[in-house]
Amino acid sequence: AQSVTQLGSHVSVSEGALVLLRCNYSSSVPPYLFWYVQYPNQGLQLLLKYTSAATLVKGINGFEAEFKKSETSFHLTKPSAHMSDAAEYFCAVSGSSASKIIFGSGTRLSIRP
Amino acid sequence: DGGITQSPKYLFRKEGQNVTLSCEQNLNHDAMYWYRQDPGQGLRLIYYSQIVNDFQKGDIAEGYSVSREKKESFPLTVTSAQKNPTAFYLCASDGGAYNSPLHFGNGTRLTVT
Repeated sequence: AQSVTQLGSHVSVSEGALVLLRCNYSSSVPPYLFWYVQYPNQGLQLLLKYTSAATLVKGINGFEAEFKKSETSFHLTKPSAHMSDAAEYFCAVSGSSASKIIFGSGTRLSIRP
Repeated sequence: DGGITQSPKYLFRKEGQNVTLSCEQNLNHDAMYWYRQDPGQGLRLIYYSQIVNDFQKGDIAEGYSVSREKKESFPLTVTSAQKNPTAFYLCASDGGAYNSPLHFGNGTRLTVT
């Protein structure tokens, strides 16, 4: 069985500050992990994915995530927040079933001017 | 450009009426999915289809029905049996492998009064 936990339903940072969105997963098989971003009233867009090739994964818009097996974590970071980063972010895991991807409950990121 | 088209963007219905949400993709993907999104609950899988003329129930299939007569199309019907149909509905597709990311449409917001 697989599951995803996103710590913090809402994160607020100042423009230019570090963004850190937390994701912990549980998986009985080697996981594939994803981060998606959703802007208001739109669908989800893939930010990045981990497929075991490298533990540090770089995505679009300056985001990156590091896979830490010992901590079962896949936290999303960005060194300097921009106003356009305000959105909802979803962590997801897949790996073993045909219905595939399990999503976390999401973290809403707000950026303060 | 390839993508997923969901229509309409907004839909209003009276309680007791069935309503069908459209989803069309031109990505040549075999697998298609329907998710329901409610505030603070992430995405929940309603139905998925991995091949034409075949589909499987997801986690919350009660009160919904689907068909997959063509590879490009995967319409979702919200029936009067669905107790809380007001939600944001997202259609997605992927290439079928466990590490294939989902491609999403821009969603349909259904309001039932």
